Amino acid sequence: QSVLTQPPSASGTPGQRVPISCSGSTSNIGTKFVNWYQHLPGTAPKLLIYNNIQRPSGVPDRFSGSKSGTSASLAISGLQSEDEADYYCAAWDDSLNGVVFGGGTKLTVL
Amino acid sequence: QLQLHQWGAGLLKPSETLSLTCAVSGASFSAYYWSWIRQPPGKGLEWIGEVSQSAVTTYNPSLKSRVTISVDTSKSQISLKLTSVTAADTALYYCARGRIGDYNNYWGQGTLVTVSS
Repeated sequence: QSVLTQPPSASGTPGQRVPISCSGSTSNIGTKFVNWYQHLPGTAPKLLIYNNIQRPSGVPDRFSGSKSGTSASLAISGLQSEDEADYYCAAWDDSLNGVVFGGGTKLTVL
Repeated sequence: QLQLHQWGAGLLKPSETLSLTCAVSGASFSAYYWSWIRQPPGKGLEWIGEVSQSAVTTYNPSLKSRVTISVDTSKSQISLKLTSVTAADTALYYCARGRIGDYNNYWGQGTLVTVSS
């Protein structure tokens, strides 16, 4: 199983706000930046959030990140059908001396 | 515009060496870290490793004994070699500009590598 724990699935209806959680430990999320990736079907994964809360240029402000202790969360507000994708959290892990990913959360827009 | 063109053998037998190359265009090659990540079919993402602007490499500890990432600055190419492959190494392999979490991290389209006897 993955070092970072994510729910395998999440869902919402258009316009809703959906949170996706990512749980880790003091060797990763607790002391390191958390990053989030969006993986749309048939495309390359795309950086959505970096350094816990920052959005790269071009990412809509409907996407927001937060972190508290050893957990982090990605929130998608004003949910749209094109947001249907897999979402992954990632962070450096000092114990493993490498990057670790969450297992991914499949978001369905109902 | 950044383009990452990947190629390599798509079908390997167990114990063979996986070899992939990623050619970079549209970006200043020497200014960035470069990373490799993979995704087994139906599974999540796994970080393989990265190489710095000064060619210093860092690898996933679980793959460290088998993996080599190198750069050819003259050709703007990054290479990945993974020895002694097994079926567990079957995956979509991605090269990416930047480290995981760099604000300009950008992934290529990926190359599917299947290991089967």
